[in-house]
Amino acid sequence: EVQLVESGGGLVQPGRSLRLSCAASGFTFDDYCMHWVRQAPGKGLEWVSSITWTGHNIVYADSVKGRFTISRDNAKKSLYLQMNSLRREDTALYYCVKDMDATGIAADGYFDYWGQGTLVTVSS
Amino acid sequence: DVQMTQSPSSLSAFVGDRVTITCRASQSVNNYLNWYQQRPQKAPKLLIYATSNLQSGVPSRFSGSGSGTDFTLTINNVQPDDFATYYCQQSYISPRTFGQGTKLEMK
Repeated sequence: EVQLVESGGGLVQPGRSLRLSCAASGFTFDDYCMHWVRQAPGKGLEWVSSITWTGHNIVYADSVKGRFTISRDNAKKSLYLQMNSLRREDTALYYCVKDMDATGIAADGYFDYWGQGTLVTVSS
Repeated sequence: DVQMTQSPSSLSAFVGDRVTITCRASQSVNNYLNWYQQRPQKAPKLLIYATSNLQSGVPSRFSGSGSGTDFTLTINNVQPDDFATYYCQQSYISPRTFGQGTKLEMK
């Protein structure tokens, strides 16, 4: 059974940093692209960042570019999101998401498994 | 990035009704359009991929159609479990962008 378990969320002041983690199990982690998707309270889904199976290709949403860093440790079957210079508008539930594809750019791709999310609240 | 626009933003229906949700892309995404269902306080779940392919375990009352820029999700004989928010997502052009969601509520 595929499981994605996020951790690391919490209350943080604007301008500070936070690191999210996602522990994966039930599939061959290093075969797949992984993503972070967030959802602000009462709002829709916003894709945040993607990292290919090798970790060599990384993409960010414009809203987080230069502030967030995605990474992965295939040996530990873990995905990470380092979030710096946090803003109030980064407040959201952050989901760890598995792609059905290794690269994340297959035209017929989709997100086939989601974690339950970890809540990040940016407030003074 | 490709912009995805869903309509309506919300709709209400009775159990047993047939409902249709539309999704429009700002440019052609061929037939690479996915649908997700998000029940309250739950993570999204893949329903349909590549316009019309049901994910394993999804009931056959769900169907998808369309191509190019215009797509629809249809739910026949709406069941109590179906009251949720639905999101479309294009996968043709990276990044895989989402629509803003359509909330289906019980009438």
